[in-house]
Amino acid sequence: SQQGEEDPQALSIQEGENATMNCSYKTSINNLQWYRQNSGRGLVHLILIRSNEREKHSGRLRVTLDTSKKSSSLLITASRAADTASYFCATAPQGNQFYFGTGTSLTVIP
Amino acid sequence: EAGVAQSPRYKIIEKRQSVAFWCNPISGHATLYWYQQILGQGPKLLIQFQNNGVVDDSQLPKDRFSAERLKGVDSTLKIQPAKLEDSAVYLCASMSSSITEAFFGQGTRLTVV
Repeated sequence: SQQGEEDPQALSIQEGENATMNCSYKTSINNLQWYRQNSGRGLVHLILIRSNEREKHSGRLRVTLDTSKKSSSLLITASRAADTASYFCATAPQGNQFYFGTGTSLTVIP
Repeated sequence: EAGVAQSPRYKIIEKRQSVAFWCNPISGHATLYWYQQILGQGPKLLIQFQNNGVVDDSQLPKDRFSAERLKGVDSTLKIQPAKLEDSAVYLCASMSSSITEAFFGQGTRLTVV
């Protein structure tokens, strides 16, 4: 399978805490992206990191990529109740073909 | 700009019936995807179009699923005949040639009973 796997499957934290979720994949990639999905909604793009990058920031998001370990992590700092959602990594073996992982369900308790 | 439009939002059918989903991508987006998302799982790529040509349909169950993208714009995904295990949300996404970010529609929730 070309899909990645996220862990943990579910994560529950208090508002203000940091949330970290991990993604492991099997094939070589061109880039890796993270998406958020609120319940019953479509997916929203959060951040993209290319295979030659090791770390990227966007607002409260920090993504790291270790191509030697075929893994990535997404850190959300100072979490808010509105961050409650499922988070998916999507690996792109080629330019515009990408495959989603199994997802991490994040619950932020106010 | 308008987002990716999908219809219907919900559909309930009996097994062995046929169903069709429609997607209107963001104007000018050359790439269009159909994903199947079963409850509790990540989206699974069914088919990818580049303009009106198929790039990847390796995970499309071709004995019952078909998809087309006429004139490289709108797309339809059809299931005939439906099985219970086809119950899922069907997501359409589009992407332009200049950026590597996909925009998703709200999805169509299919229930096969």
